[in-house]
Amino acid sequence: GAGVSQTPSNKVTEKGKYVELRCDPISGHTALYWYRQSLGQGPEFLIYFQGTGAADDSGLPNDRFFAVRPEGSVSTLKIQRTERGDSAVYLCASSLGGATSGNTIYFGEGSWLTVV
Amino acid sequence: GENVEQHPSTLSVQEGDSAVIKCTYSDSASNYFPWYKQELGKGPQLIIDIRSNVGEKKDQRIAVTLNKTAKHFSLHITETQPEDSAVYFCAASKSFQKLVFGTGTRLLVSP
Repeated sequence: GAGVSQTPSNKVTEKGKYVELRCDPISGHTALYWYRQSLGQGPEFLIYFQGTGAADDSGLPNDRFFAVRPEGSVSTLKIQRTERGDSAVYLCASSLGGATSGNTIYFGEGSWLTVV
Repeated sequence: GENVEQHPSTLSVQEGDSAVIKCTYSDSASNYFPWYKQELGKGPQLIIDIRSNVGEKKDQRIAVTLNKTAKHFSLHITETQPEDSAVYFCAASKSFQKLVFGTGTRLLVSP
């Protein structure tokens, strides 16, 4: 696709429910990233995939958060037992090569999650 | 871990004026410093970046300077236009994939 695509763009869920957020990176991009942005703050790193494997998941806040990228393209961020504090914009990004090559990181428009 | 501070939080200028946004970082191992522009309801868009082996980089009306000794870097926008109005984020990284962002600067350019 032309850019990083994220669905849904908006999601309202009840506290305690399970949610999945999907990211479709730019075609051919092998590196994929998830960030979280709270209102009035800068994006915060969650996880980085190189191909199918999570190369760095040190930003995931706790074990309720999990992400997969089974075929090295589309990725899904999964949040179990959602809490009101999980409300934020979840940004997905991708880059052409491995992150160490310094390729430009392109962000999607984000999925706005509201937990009520 | 890395900590990035960004100032000012808001900046109002008249069209045609220059705008300067400053960031400091804490980890001397950081070697990549991108700047992103974020418009309302959109994802961050890279506008310029600089690596630690370079002191200054310019792209048309936008320039970034880096002082490694002082651990600070700045974004300079000249001849500002109303369409430059947005939130600007600086970031620092020592591994490219793990960007640590500042808290953002809301720039308002008045016609």
